[in-house]
Amino acid sequence: EMQLVESGGGLVQPGGSLRLSCAASGFTFSNCWMTWVRQAPGKGLELVATTNGDGGEKYYVDSVKGRFTISRDSAKDSLYLQMNSLRAEDTAVYYCASLGCNVWGQGTMVTVSS
Amino acid sequence: EIVLTQSPATLSLSPGERATLSCRASQSVSKSLVWYQQKPGQAPRLLIYDTSNRATGIPARFSGSGSGTDFTLTISSLEPEDFAVYYCQQRSNWPFTFGGGTKVEIK
Repeated sequence: EMQLVESGGGLVQPGGSLRLSCAASGFTFSNCWMTWVRQAPGKGLELVATTNGDGGEKYYVDSVKGRFTISRDSAKDSLYLQMNSLRAEDTAVYYCASLGCNVWGQGTMVTVSS
Repeated sequence: EIVLTQSPATLSLSPGERATLSCRASQSVSKSLVWYQQKPGQAPRLLIYDTSNRATGIPARFSGSGSGTDFTLTISSLEPEDFAVYYCQQRSNWPFTFGGGTKVEIK
């Protein structure tokens, strides 16, 4: 069974940092582009960052450029999102997903508040 | 950035009725459009990819059509489990933007 399990969410103060992790299993991780998608409470979906199979290509939505970094470790079949300089508007459920391989995690909540 | 506009925002229908959801793009996305279903507390579920292809395990009552800038998701006869929020997403140009969603609710 293809599975993605996120971890690392929580409450952080504005300006703080958080690192999200996503563990993959049941599929060939290195073959799949991987993506972080977020959803603010009661709102729609927003694609945050994506990276290709070997991590050599990375793309970010403008609102997180320079603050967030996506990375992956194929030896551990894991995806990461380093989030720095967090703002209240970054508050959301963060999903790890492979859009092309059609697998989503269940999400981890990030709350930015003082 | 390509903007996707979904309409209506809310669709109130009864089980057994036909649902027609619209997604309009601010510029052509060719056929690179997908549809997701999302229920409360759950991750999105892929329904349709490349405009009209059903994902694995998706019932035949779901169908997609369109091209360029205008797309439609049709649910031929609503089942109780179909009441949810539906999102379109374009995969033609980065960032792969989503529409604002259409909520299909029980009338």
